[in-house]
Amino acid sequence: IAGITQAPTSQILAAGRRMTLRCTQDMRHNAMYWYRQDLGLGLRLIHYSNTAGTTGKGEVPDGYSVSRANTDDFPLTLASAVPSQTSVYFCASSPSAPSSYEQYFGPGTRLTVT
Amino acid sequence: GESVGLHLPTLSVQEGDNSIINCAYSNSASDYFIWYKQESGKGPQFIIDIRSNMDKRQGQRVTVLLNKTVKHLSLQIAATQPGDSAVYFCAENIQNTNAGKSTFGDGTTLTVKP
Repeated sequence: IAGITQAPTSQILAAGRRMTLRCTQDMRHNAMYWYRQDLGLGLRLIHYSNTAGTTGKGEVPDGYSVSRANTDDFPLTLASAVPSQTSVYFCASSPSAPSSYEQYFGPGTRLTVT
Repeated sequence: GESVGLHLPTLSVQEGDNSIINCAYSNSASDYFIWYKQESGKGPQFIIDIRSNMDKRQGQRVTVLLNKTVKHLSLQIAATQPGDSAVYFCAENIQNTNAGKSTFGDGTTLTVKP
């Protein structure tokens, strides 16, 4: 069982370019999340999805969009990248509430916007 | 608003000693708390959780204590090992809200000296 996979592992992107970070889970979890983690800081929620077909905004949604066409995939798109979006991005999933709220995290994508 | 914070950003202990990592939260409505461990270059990993109807929960070499009166929780690691070196995050949740959304603190970096 792979758990959660993210792609790419790292990317250097020119400012103004469009980029989609991929996230796939094989645990059949209903809820999925995208976080960014800046150097030395904790995780900040960008967007989340409670179930396929629904999405919601987190703490720092500006400049990002997501879609949840099916249970397994939750891509994050930067429409026009800016240097302040340089960060490590983590995708996570959790089982349906209320049985459990622990989150399972992917290995992260390190994004540098120049 | 919600905030979760840790008392100390860094903690250094001798191998074999016990470690105590602290976390303060401000939202009295929070009723579910999780500790995560993040090793260098990896995503956070679930360690242990506790719900507000408990004040103590034990796992393998780890214990979480919850004091709702002063809105404080701690993670105790017994016989700390070099493999315990990592960043530790506490996260708070409010059950019966959006499934699995967590508010994370900034983390405490634990360094284990041989």
